[in-house]
Amino acid sequence: QKEVEQNSGPLSVPEGAIASLNCTYSDRVSQSFFWYRQYSGKSPELIMSIYSNGDKEDGRFTAQLNKASQYVSLLIRDSQPSDSATYLCAAQGAAGNKLTFGGGTRVLVKP
Amino acid sequence: DAGVIQSPRHEVTEMGQEVTLRCKPISGHNSLFWYRQTMMRGLELLIYFNNNVPIDDSGMPEDRFSAKMPNASFSTLKIQPSEPRDSAVYFCASSRDGTYGYTFGSGTRLTVV
Repeated sequence: QKEVEQNSGPLSVPEGAIASLNCTYSDRVSQSFFWYRQYSGKSPELIMSIYSNGDKEDGRFTAQLNKASQYVSLLIRDSQPSDSATYLCAAQGAAGNKLTFGGGTRVLVKP
Repeated sequence: DAGVIQSPRHEVTEMGQEVTLRCKPISGHNSLFWYRQTMMRGLELLIYFNNNVPIDDSGMPEDRFSAKMPNASFSTLKIQPSEPRDSAVYFCASSRDGTYGYTFGSGTRLTVV
């Protein structure tokens, strides 16, 4: 079992809709969580970080963290075709500063 | 800020040859990470350094892989001898004290034939 799990998708959403991505992690000592966006053939790009339970909003993105349920999510509001990419969830443990990545969820936004 | 710089961008080599990948982290970042990405296994951490010292190399697949960081501005990942199953995209990333996520380089696409 992978330490960070994501549905591989593809998640198909119409333009203007909300895309909802989910991520679960197995290591209870994980303290920090990150969402990266990766376009095909490109490197991962950090879009959100979240460290405490609750919601964190940044523009059209909202990250949600529930440490009791070991669950992280990312909402993309007013989805645009340019949001079509693979979204990687990552967890950072307290024991060190390495990030463990999930397999990623591919999102397709259709005009 | 030039970002994390990796070279070469693409490498095609024959099985058995030595391959050296290079990385220059962002100035001021003291943590450096080498990842490998494949369709089957996703992003896997190979090794990471703090202040030029290797901290965790448990992800290095086998003795054919080695990594060095002789100074704060340069790191290499070497594969000797290379095998077709090493074909992947290799990413270098850096951060300040491992906090606030990483910045990735553009990656090196390695093909071993």
